[in-house]
Amino acid sequence: RKEVEQDPGPFNVPEGATVAFNCTYSNSASQSFFWYRQDCRKEPKLLMSVYSSGNEDGRFTAQLNRASQYISLLIRDSKLSDSATYLCVVGGGGNKLTFGTGTQLKVEL
Amino acid sequence: GAVVSQHPSRVICKSGTSVKIECRSLDFQATTMFWYRQFPKQSLMLMATSNEGSKATYEQGVEKDKFLINHASLTLSTLTVTSAHPEDSSFYICSARIVGQTNYGYTFGSGTRLTVV
Repeated sequence: RKEVEQDPGPFNVPEGATVAFNCTYSNSASQSFFWYRQDCRKEPKLLMSVYSSGNEDGRFTAQLNRASQYISLLIRDSKLSDSATYLCVVGGGGNKLTFGTGTQLKVEL
Repeated sequence: GAVVSQHPSRVICKSGTSVKIECRSLDFQATTMFWYRQFPKQSLMLMATSNEGSKATYEQGVEKDKFLINHASLTLSTLTVTSAHPEDSSFYICSARIVGQTNYGYTFGSGTRLTVV
């Protein structure tokens, strides 16, 4: 079983749609959780950290369920510029990050 | 914000030669730098953790004699791919943790696309 699992997609959605991505992780001792965005052939960029209480940043909402070892990202009112690969990232001890393979999102007119 | 400058962004080299990739933290001190590799359609895989003034820690399956890491100062870490082969062609990215950020923020270099011919 992979340490961090994501549906690779692609998710093709019309502009304005709401889309949700899910991620599961295997290490119950994981300490930090993030969503990163990666554009084609570019480096990952932090989208948001994820907390047990849930957090929202504009059109983006992230949730963490430690009991189920499950992380989600919700994007509302999708824009064309949201097209990218979204990486679920889990941090353990020693600052080590483990990346999921990413979920590809394509927002279309 | 904190920036990690990585270069070269792209390099093509002949099989058997060595390539050096540099990562510099521009406005902060990075005591630890992480080196990742990403093959097409795959996730970033941690290769090694570079510690300033000490030996790097390599992940299982990564040859330390092939991927030489040097972290001689608080602002510079280098990865040298020695005797490169076509299977080493990949996207190499460095990352540093921004000390003091409560969200464990990590900043990434812009990556180096290595093609070995």
